[in-house]
Amino acid sequence: DADVTQTPRNRITKTGKRIMLECSQTKGHDRMYWYRQDPGLGLQLIYYSFDVKDINKGEISDGYSVSRQAQAKFSLSLESAIPNQTALYFCATSETGEGTDTQYFGPGTRLTVL
Amino acid sequence: GEDVEQSLFLSVREGDSSVINCTYTDSSSTYLYWYKQEPGAGLQLLTYIFSNMDMKQDQRLTVLLNKKDKHLSLRIADTQTGDSAIYFCAVSGNTPLVFGKGTRLSVIA
Repeated sequence: DADVTQTPRNRITKTGKRIMLECSQTKGHDRMYWYRQDPGLGLQLIYYSFDVKDINKGEISDGYSVSRQAQAKFSLSLESAIPNQTALYFCATSETGEGTDTQYFGPGTRLTVL
Repeated sequence: GEDVEQSLFLSVREGDSSVINCTYTDSSSTYLYWYKQEPGAGLQLLTYIFSNMDMKQDQRLTVLLNKKDKHLSLRIADTQTGDSAIYFCAVSGNTPLVFGKGTRLSVIA
């Protein structure tokens, strides 16, 4: 079984709808991340969490919110989806460790907002 | 903040060596990573190097680090069509990792 799973893998929705993307991990890592990938722009960090009580904004958090329900679960919500949020979304995890931040990625969720 | 730069495209012939380059700005970066993304998949950790090393070899992969110039490279020997993917450089120091925009490697048979 995959260590980092994301659901759904694909989602098509309409402008204005609320969408939740879910991420679960069995790696036992404290740290979890949400990224967005657009062609030619690489990965942009949306939100990250270093433990259950810690939530931090990344470089592009506007229009998104997150919930860290447990060590193993980190959800990303789009409160009112808009077409320019059409992208590939990745969840990642890493261990707490000094100087290192080796991240392990889920398979991604392809979101299309019409 | 940290800035990581990579060229966007590289095309090589099957059997040749590929060299993917990356530059970064934060000299305090402690770990430097290479990730591979195949079409339709997430990022897969390929290898990493600690900042007190200048070279690391792992089968067909060789990572070179020039700390003075803040330059990291990934060499893939005997490049195969299965190596066609996007390769991301990432650096740590002040977590989270900072990623480059990725280099798309195309391997011509």
